[in-house]
Amino acid sequence: GAVVSQHPSWVICKSGTSVKIECRSLDFQATTMFWYRQFPKQSLMLMATSNEGSKATYEQGVEKDKFLINHASLTLSTLTVTSAHPEDSSFYICSARGSSRQETQYFGPGTRLLVL
Amino acid sequence: SQKIEQNSEALNIQEGKTATLTCNYTNYSPAYLQWYRQDPGRGPVFLLLIRENEKEKRKERLKVTFDTTLKQSLFHITASQPADSATYLCALDKTGANNLFFGTGTRLTVIP
Repeated sequence: GAVVSQHPSWVICKSGTSVKIECRSLDFQATTMFWYRQFPKQSLMLMATSNEGSKATYEQGVEKDKFLINHASLTLSTLTVTSAHPEDSSFYICSARGSSRQETQYFGPGTRLLVL
Repeated sequence: SQKIEQNSEALNIQEGKTATLTCNYTNYSPAYLQWYRQDPGRGPVFLLLIRENEKEKRKERLKVTFDTTLKQSLFHITASQPADSATYLCALDKTGANNLFFGTGTRLTVIP
């Protein structure tokens, strides 16, 4: 149980285009989803937290207009990187958690984004 | 300031030995602490959760201890195998925050 999927697993795009990444909880209802990015050999950096049906809460320094997050259902959240630039190239990982705050976060397999 | 430090960036160990990884934190009072495994190019995978009122937790070859006085958790892998080679992350919660806070990770290499 507690499987989280991400799609796509990797994407290459030209600078200036927008990229959408989907995160799905496959066998549980995710009241809260988290989006992280990770640079090589570094730990996870939380970008934003989203609760189903609410606006996402962004961490300091993360541009909400650049990284659009939608959590429209209990099983799906999307991250859209708008007008992507090479510096946005990174490994993006989502995680999902059920209704209890003490539950574990279950992570997706990640999406590797390369912006040319 | 708040910190979560994992003892070393990298740890090499001979197959069959016990690997011990350390997670120290400052200025946190977590209700629970978790350990995750992350393989290159993959998302973290949950391993164990230990609560503040628990001293020790085991799962197969894994053992976690939690000392809230020392503000430290130890993660042990007994009879280590090359397949245990990965980066291990500790994570803890914070009162009032919705998310987990992660350490920088320890990259474990088990040498055959």
